[in-house]
Formats: sequence, C-alpha cells, structure tokens
Amino acid sequence: DTAVSQTPKYLVTQMGNDKSIKCEQNLGHDTMYWYKQDSKKFLKIMFSYNNKELIINETVPNRFSPKSPDKAHLNLHINSLELGDSAVYFCASSQDRYSYEQYFGPGTRLTVT
Amino acid sequence: GQSLEQPSEVTAVEGAIVQINCTYQTSGFYGLSWYQQHDGGAPTFLSYNGLDGLEETGRFSSFLSRSDSYGYLLLQELQMKDSASYFCASEDNYGQNFVFGPGTRLSVLP
Repeated sequence: DTAVSQTPKYLVTQMGNDKSIKCEQNLGHDTMYWYKQDSKKFLKIMFSYNNKELIINETVPNRFSPKSPDKAHLNLHINSLELGDSAVYFCASSQDRYSYEQYFGPGTRLTVT
Repeated sequence: GQSLEQPSEVTAVEGAIVQINCTYQTSGFYGLSWYQQHDGGAPTFLSYNGLDGLEETGRFSSFLSRSDSYGYLLLQELQMKDSASYFCASEDNYGQNFVFGPGTRLSVLP
C-alpha cells in the first residue's frame, strides 16, 4: 500500500490554465504539507494543514489554494498558471504538527508551456 | 526566520566515510532533520537530532551542537546507492515552520 500518493505524476499545461493536484495519505496522520521543489532542487514549504486546519501559509501567490476535505486528503489548486510555476510539487504528511519525520509522496512534475 | 547552509557538492569513493555539514540561523530552533533524495525520487527521512550529540542509525549518523548552530550527517562504508542529494531541515518549537537547506549532492565513485 502506498503511504502518500499524489495524482497526477506528470502535468503539462499551458499558461493561464487552472489545474489541481490531489494528495492522499493512508497513514492516519494528522498533518499534511505541500512543498515546491524548483529546478535547483530547492525545497520550500508552501502550506501545512493539521486536522483540516491551515497552520502554515508561506508567502505563496494567492493563485495557489489548498483544500483539505478531510485529514487524509490535501489538494492543491492553481489558477492562472505561469511559467514560473513549473516545478515538482510534493505532498507530505506527519503524525502531528510537532513530528519531525515527514513522509513524502512521489511528487507531481508540473510543466507550464 | 530560518536559514540553513550546506555545501553544494561532495564527492567520495566507495567504502569511504563522508561528512555533510549544516549550519543554521533560526529563531526558536527545535531540532534538525536529515533527508535523502535520489534523482527523480521523493525525499525520505534519515535521522533527527533534538538534543546535542550523536544519533546513530546503521551506516548513517547525525550530530547536533546547539551552541555552535551546527550539525552534520556522517555516512560510513559508502555505497554507490548512497549517491543522492542530502538535505538538512529545521523546525521551530511551535511546529509552525519547517525549512529545508539547499541540499548537498553526494557522488560516490567506484
């Protein structure tokens, strides 16, 4: 069984489009995260949810909107995609908001043309 | 805010020992984690230091010195499969902020 799964694995789209990435974890964890990894492999946290409540909201354009329908799911919706949004997006989860061990999904490679 | 520094690249040969350093400047520092990421893969957790000293997990060990704002990951008996990027990451004591270092790319040569 996959612990943290993301769909789709690859996403190619044009500028201006709206797209969503879905994430699910079956570990029973309370906290989930979205990270962006750029072409230089720099990994930056975007959002964190604990039991469906937003607890970390880094400086991210408001075109990015996370949604957590329940604590096992955290989706990321991106409006009006720009070239600079091209990156690998990782979902992760941890037991709770104070846990240091995070479990990462396989990533979604987003390419905006 | 928090910032972490790591060397960008390290090269070593199979069977050797390599140390990857991480220095940090953080407010409300709580602990230091280490993650491994192979090309095309996802980061995977390796080790955590919440207290000063050495933590050992098989061939990997991690060290933390709070007074020096410094930590390192020690990899022993290097294998080709250890070629990957290694990230240190820190969290603050409110669980509010989790920051990754820029990563160190380790190349293990035969």
